[in-house]
Parts: sequence; C-alpha cells; structure tokens
Amino acid sequence: DSGVTQTPKHLITATGQRVTLRCSPRSGDLSVYWYQQSLDQGLQFLIQYYNGEERAKGNILERFSAQQFPDLHSELNLSSLELGDSALYFCASSVGGNYSPLHFGNGTRLTVT
Amino acid sequence: DQQVKQNSPSLSVQEGRISILNCDYTNSMFDYFLWYKKYPAEGPTFLISISSIKDKNEDGRFTVFLNKSAKHLSLHIVPSQPGDSAVYFCAAIGSSNTGKLIFGQGTTLQVKP
Repeated sequence: DSGVTQTPKHLITATGQRVTLRCSPRSGDLSVYWYQQSLDQGLQFLIQYYNGEERAKGNILERFSAQQFPDLHSELNLSSLELGDSALYFCASSVGGNYSPLHFGNGTRLTVT
Repeated sequence: DQQVKQNSPSLSVQEGRISILNCDYTNSMFDYFLWYKKYPAEGPTFLISISSIKDKNEDGRFTVFLNKSAKHLSLHIVPSQPGDSAVYFCAAIGSSNTGKLIFGQGTTLQVKP
C-alpha cells in the first residue's frame, strides 16, 4: 500500500460530460502529481502541485484542470469529455524535492462512451 | 517527442535466470533515473534509482547500470522470480524539469517457473 488514495476506482460516463477525480496523498507529502496512461502508452505527466500551488505543467488539455486544497488532497477535473479521454489516471505524491521518488495511487479508470 | 524509450514491449525469461530491461533517453539534461514496477490493477511502485554521477546502483537482486555516453540505462534482475512478472517503467528527470518525471512506454516482463 503506497498510502496514496484515489477515488473512484472506476468511472463510466458519456461524451460531453464532466467528472472529478480525487486524490489523497501520503501523510506528510506536500507534492501531488497527476499522470494519464492511455492504452499502450506510457505515463504522461499532466500537472504537479506543491503545497497548494501549481508547480509544473505537462501536456494537460485546456478542458482539464486541477487544484490542491489546504488539506493537501487534490482533484482533477475533466470536462467536455471525449472518447479519447478514456484512460487510467494516476495520482502520485512525494515529499516535494525534485528527486524524491513518487508514490502512486492505484489509479482511476475512466471510460467515456 | 519520446524522450525516454523502452524499445522492447515484452521480455520472457526462465525463473532463476537474469532479466535485463533496457531504456534509452535523448535528453542530456536528465540527471536522475528511476525504475518503477507495476502490477495489474495497481499503481507503479518505486524500485530503484540512480544519479548521473554514478554508473551502477545495487539493491538486493536489482541492479541499475547507467551509460551516460550512450544515454542508456538497464535494469538487471538476478535471479529472476515469478513474482517479478510485471510491467517495468523507466523514468528520468532533470534539474530543469521541476518534478516532471518522464516515463518510458514500459516493458512487460514474464518470468516462467
């Protein structure tokens, strides 16, 4: 158990809809990262937050947004969903240093129909 | 632009033998490399890492080798065990990446009893 909790585990929704994925980091970790893994793809970095502030941004679509709350949990909001957004979304946390290993949750599998 | 590449999608070895997983990178600014292991329905878990100032790091049955001139790293598992069967991801980061860990596509290792 990595200590990182992601909810829900599975999500099935229709095109055009909006969903929210939730992540609780390991106790003591200040950094939260979001990654997307599409079929046959590696993990694609979306965004990082550190202690409530956006720290780094990857290939995150404008339809996607995220935030980290004062209690350090994070939410990833996906809107105007398209079929191609179907993927595994992983949250990871770390203590915050640039070279700190990331600890991943078990992911949320999103299916857009 | 795939900055971290794992060219072998899969690898099959016999229990007790050596497993060698390979990874190539293109960005010379990467200075820290990590290997993650992923079982089905779980998030990736950190396995071993190496800094660019070293050429080898060992942890039990796992050894990572780094060849900076060739921009190549490899993970050796000796002896391989059936429980090692998983997807292995190579990842890299540089000081300019600000926490943005770049992952390869993954290699599925199957260790046969």
